[in-house]
Amino acid sequence: DGGITQSPKYLFRKEGQNVTLSCEQNLNHDAMYWYRQDPGQGLRLIYYSQIVNDFQKGDIAEGYSVSREKKESFPLTVTSAQKNPTAFYLCASFGLAGGPGAKNIQYFGAGTRLSVL
Amino acid sequence: DQQVKQNSPSLSVQEGRISILNCDYTNSMFDYFLWYKKYPAEGPTFLISISSIKDKNEDGRFTVFLNKSAKHLSLHIVPSQPGDSAVYFCAASENGNQFYFGTGTSLTVIP
Repeated sequence: DGGITQSPKYLFRKEGQNVTLSCEQNLNHDAMYWYRQDPGQGLRLIYYSQIVNDFQKGDIAEGYSVSREKKESFPLTVTSAQKNPTAFYLCASFGLAGGPGAKNIQYFGAGTRLSVL
Repeated sequence: DQQVKQNSPSLSVQEGRISILNCDYTNSMFDYFLWYKKYPAEGPTFLISISSIKDKNEDGRFTVFLNKSAKHLSLHIVPSQPGDSAVYFCAASENGNQFYFGTGTSLTVIP
């Protein structure tokens, strides 16, 4: 089954610690995205990557870093510079999927909930 | 500045009736629009999309209408079912680069 896998589902960060959220896709999509969702708010774009070895800042990139060394993988590091990291993080890819009648859409993973200890 | 807005945070509808969820956008260069359904602590799942060359797209109980002059799109769900209760997000994109999401509308379908 094609899809996007995010891990872990829950993550706890201590003060001053960097943590990395994993995102893997087997949809063969070039474009991948990281969003953050806070209660009562929409999805805000952190970083996106249109192709391997290239990525762009989104609206709220400060305190985060990413890498795109492989097409399938787009990990997000929440650094100690991110002072308010508690949120639900969503990874997505964009492209065709779904067999006959496939559409170009953003597909999302199940999310990682990050909390601060 | 919010480029995609969903001005109704919540909506309640009786089972079997029509649910209409609205979305407004400000960027006239947006050419692709999507609706997603989201349950708590899960990723959004795709519902339906429309490109700017169309003004209507239908898929089963779901229909999306696009009014480019008003920069407005709406999602109609007919008939509404209790399982439709979720948060619905609209999203817009220019050339499939960045996607901009609204803040969501929480739909409750009352049995």
